[in-house]
Amino acid sequence: GESVGLHLPTLSVQEGDNSIINCAYSNSASDYFIWYKQESGKGPQFIIDIRSNMDKRQGQRVTVLLNKTVKHLSLQIAATQPGDSAVYFCAEEYTGANSKLTFGKGITLSVRP
Amino acid sequence: DAGITQSPRHKVTETGTPVTLRCHQTENHRYMYWYRQDPGHGLRLIHYSYGVKDTDKGEVSDGYSVSRSKTEDFLLTLESATSSQTSVYFCAISDTSYEQYFGPGTRLTVT
Repeated sequence: GESVGLHLPTLSVQEGDNSIINCAYSNSASDYFIWYKQESGKGPQFIIDIRSNMDKRQGQRVTVLLNKTVKHLSLQIAATQPGDSAVYFCAEEYTGANSKLTFGKGITLSVRP
Repeated sequence: DAGITQSPRHKVTETGTPVTLRCHQTENHRYMYWYRQDPGHGLRLIHYSYGVKDTDKGEVSDGYSVSRSKTEDFLLTLESATSSQTSVYFCAISDTSYEQYFGPGTRLTVT
């Protein structure tokens, strides 16, 4: 697979702790907000999405929170594991004819053993 | 990688030469996308397709063209490669635009 040296901000957490990854989005009219995970040498992988009319959504070990008042999105990962080490991207979508995603710049999560 | 392949996986080419990257899917998804990923910029959309022969521009489409003559194939062409097009290129597919599945990427170096 391919990787890019992205020179991104890094969040370092201890294995077993909870991680919180934050993102500010730009378009108050966006309908969906999504988190993607990109492991080294691979393409991004869909994790979880949340619709704009919700403020919280839970998945397996992950929770996404949406605060539309301050245009803020966060991804919480419970009991962080070494396999969670990756670059995490938030993305937003304004639905309409042939809508598309706008990605944030990404944050690197590093899990310390 | 959700039935997506990209070819070639690596390519080195000279400035001014044409280059075509291929994305092939076996999922029969309607939408296909080409992104480039660069340090400091994250993922940026080049072009996308919402059906056979239906394509549209993304935010960084200058210098690129695309074609989709079959559901399963989406081609990205650099008519005359420049050094600024050195990047990692990702193809993605989806049936809903927000849940996209990405291919493994192509590293293109233009010398």
